[in-house]
Amino acid sequence: DIQMTQSPSTLSASVGDRVTITCRASQSISTWVAWYQQKPGKAPNLLIYKASTLKSGVPSRFSGSGSGTEFTLTISSLQPDDFATYYCQQYNSYLLTFGGGTKVEIK
Amino acid sequence: EVQLVESGGGVVRPGGSLRLSCAASGFTFDAYGMSWVRQAPGKGLEWVSGISWNGGSTGYADSVKGRFTISRDNAKSSLYLQMNSLRAEDTALYHCARDPNHYGSGTNWFDPWGQGTLVTVSS
Repeated sequence: DIQMTQSPSTLSASVGDRVTITCRASQSISTWVAWYQQKPGKAPNLLIYKASTLKSGVPSRFSGSGSGTEFTLTISSLQPDDFATYYCQQYNSYLLTFGGGTKVEIK
Repeated sequence: EVQLVESGGGVVRPGGSLRLSCAASGFTFDAYGMSWVRQAPGKGLEWVSGISWNGGSTGYADSVKGRFTISRDNAKSSLYLQMNSLRAEDTALYHCARDPNHYGSGTNWFDPWGQGTLVTVSS
């Protein structure tokens, strides 16, 4: 199975900060990565797919990059609505796997 | 509006069985692959199983292979997960999720997700 190692597991930041979350794959997965946001008690919401394609309607402060084994999700200017947990997911292999999650907390 | 609504969760003893359902609406169900993804209390996301748009291809996580069976009824716009030989570690909120690619395998990225149905395996 392809392992997705996500870091950090927790991140404390302030409104307006630039935030970067990283996912490393245990083997090359091209750009077959998606990112999700999940708020407490809610289902995950898709933010980005194919490593850098922003889902329609998602604010442009979210961006994704990377290929091969290293991927990043960046929030250019953190907003109050962005405090949540973020997950990466690989779909290079039919055995799909998720990163462990990054909880973005208020500093 | 695209909507996925899960049902069928509950409390079951170890070794028992449950059948989860996911009712889809707001889109042409028989044109999309689907998956089940679970989340243990306070933990992260784990893909469980996926099925292609026509049911011709299925896949399972190693942790459930041989115990769980995914199926779909396109006439009823419904997805199912038959869970047998349940274990304590199967306790989780089970979400159904759509692979947004037309005629997809069900094992790509997911959008949208249902709110989930809770399965608790306990004696």
